[in-house]
Amino acid sequence: DSGVTQTPKHLITATGQRVTLRCSPRSGDLSVYWYQQSLDQGLQFLIQYYNGEERAKGNILERFSAQQFPDLHSELNLSSLELGDSALYFCASGDGRYNSPLHFGNGTRLTVT
Amino acid sequence: QKEVEQDPGPLSVPEGAIVSLNCTYSNSAFQYFMWYRQYSRKGPELLMYTYSSGNKEDGRFTAQVDKSSKYISLFIRDSQPSDSATYLCAMSAYSGAGSYQLTFGKGTKLSVIP
Repeated sequence: DSGVTQTPKHLITATGQRVTLRCSPRSGDLSVYWYQQSLDQGLQFLIQYYNGEERAKGNILERFSAQQFPDLHSELNLSSLELGDSALYFCASGDGRYNSPLHFGNGTRLTVT
Repeated sequence: QKEVEQDPGPLSVPEGAIVSLNCTYSNSAFQYFMWYRQYSRKGPELLMYTYSSGNKEDGRFTAQVDKSSKYISLFIRDSQPSDSATYLCAMSAYSGAGSYQLTFGKGTKLSVIP
């Protein structure tokens, strides 16, 4: 068990809808990262937060947003969903040092129909 | 050319075989190298973490880094059916302002046949 908790495990929704994915990092970790994993693209970095502040952005669409709350949990919001947004969304946490490895949750499987 | 290249496989070996998994990279700024194992419908699990060129051993697993050739490897000795998973290489480079980019290979799917 990595200590990173993601909810829900599965989401099925329709195109055009909005969903929120939730992540609780490992105890003591200040940094949260969101990744998208699809069959053809592999793991793609979306965004990183450190202690409540955005630290880095990757290939995150404008329809997607995230935040990290004072208790360090994070939410990823996906809006105006398209079929192509169907994927696994992973949260990872780390202590924020640049040389520290990341620990991943078990992901949220999003299916857009 | 992608920053990190990894043969997706699939790779199928008999139980007890030595498995070799490899990644090449193009970005000289990568400093830290990791291997993750991902079982179906699970998140990636950190297996090995290395910094310098050379070998690092942990049980049946050996990670090898050759920075001059921009090549990393993971060896699995005495492979077991429970090793059947997708193996992802990952590497990080400091990108300033306290942030770093962790870049993943696409993963190699390994099956160990009893």
